[in-house]
Amino acid sequence: GNSVTQMEGPVTLSEEAFLTINCTYTATGYPSLFWYVQYPGEGLQLLLKATKADDKGSNKGFEATYRKETTSFHLEKGSVQVSDSAVYFCARGGRDDKIIFGKGTRLHILP
Amino acid sequence: GAVVSQHPSWVICKSGTSVKIECRSLDFQATTMFWYRQFPKQSLMLMATSNEGSKATYEQGVEKDKFLINHASLTLSTLTVTSAHPEDSSFYICSASAPIAAQYEQYFGPGTRLTVT
Repeated sequence: GNSVTQMEGPVTLSEEAFLTINCTYTATGYPSLFWYVQYPGEGLQLLLKATKADDKGSNKGFEATYRKETTSFHLEKGSVQVSDSAVYFCARGGRDDKIIFGKGTRLHILP
Repeated sequence: GAVVSQHPSWVICKSGTSVKIECRSLDFQATTMFWYRQFPKQSLMLMATSNEGSKATYEQGVEKDKFLINHASLTLSTLTVTSAHPEDSSFYICSASAPIAAQYEQYFGPGTRLTVT
């Protein structure tokens, strides 16, 4: 089965709302964790990452903290904008530099 | 920097024909390129890992004779879908990593949408 599980979308929020997209993973050891974003018509971009437990990745107002106790890496943003509308993928590092992705969560922000 | 392009961005072909998709790293040399397949509302599924000058390593369940991968230079990898069928219709995405990049640092192309009629 998929070793990265994230909340199903679509998620629809109003502008300036608080965002949380949940992500949990299964792995042996402590893999690197990532959030990727895919804007409409574009390729995936790395949004943020954390390489060890308790690390916090942050970028463009988004944050995620590596929680080994709960094997989670939830994505949060305090005040979303319309331009944040995209698909967000949680991912973890695998063997041989491979990346294992979750199914993605589509986010719609309403003005 | 670290831009990856794909060509074409979309293609429609008839069942039984072959289609070639190119993946290029525009401003860096990519030692490794990855090919993914993405179905609607599904995750990216890794198809194969391609290293320059050597044979690609395919993931379990991926037909190597159907999805031919060539990585002839440090800036170009190609995926050829041979004898395409409607079930091959999908979004194909490549990514590239550079030797100076951090582990797992992959740069993604914009994807190619293949429709087989």
